[in-house]
Amino acid sequence: DVKVTQSSRYLVKRTGEKVFLECVQDMDHENMFWYRQDPGLGLRLIYFSYDVKMKEKGDIPEGYSVSREKKERFSLILESASTNQTSMYLCASNPLGQEKNYGYTFGSGTRLTVV
Amino acid sequence: GESVGLHLPTLSVQEGDNSIINCAYSNSASDYFIWYKQESGKGPQFIIDIRSNMDKRQGQRVTVLLNKTVKHLSLQIAATQPGDSAVYFCAENGAGSYQLTFGKGTKLSVIP
Repeated sequence: DVKVTQSSRYLVKRTGEKVFLECVQDMDHENMFWYRQDPGLGLRLIYFSYDVKMKEKGDIPEGYSVSREKKERFSLILESASTNQTSMYLCASNPLGQEKNYGYTFGSGTRLTVV
Repeated sequence: GESVGLHLPTLSVQEGDNSIINCAYSNSASDYFIWYKQESGKGPQFIIDIRSNMDKRQGQRVTVLLNKTVKHLSLQIAATQPGDSAVYFCAENGAGSYQLTFGKGTKLSVIP
């Protein structure tokens, strides 16, 4: 069964801490995405990556950075966590589109609380 | 900008009844649509998809209808069960894009 695995289900961090959220996929997908999900706002794209070492800003990149050193791993970094970054974070991946199937596979999510 | 939206934010149905969840999209160039189900505390799961060259696709207890004329997408769930209680999202991607645009979701509550 194909999977996108997020390393933590729940995290509690202090304001100002540097936070790493890890995501690994085993489907050899080229594309990987990080979203945050907040009540009433839906899914908002933070960053995405088309390939190793490539990254593109999404709609809300401020306060975040990403790293894609290997194809299967896409890390989201909160440089200095703030309380307004308390949210559910979702990682997703999809293939480049050779088969015209652009559906994402999502991870289970990481619920981050910044105190 | 282009967006995907939902007509109803919440829907309550009696167990055993059919459910219909609606979605309006605004990008006429979109050629691929997906419905996701998200249970509480979990990530979204793929339910069913449809390409723009179709107007109907059926799965197990679910049917997706696509009306390109009015840019409307619906998800029908037959004989709704308590396990169907979740938030349902529609998503689209524009022609040539591999990025999805998501609706905000409809919460489906099944009354036993």
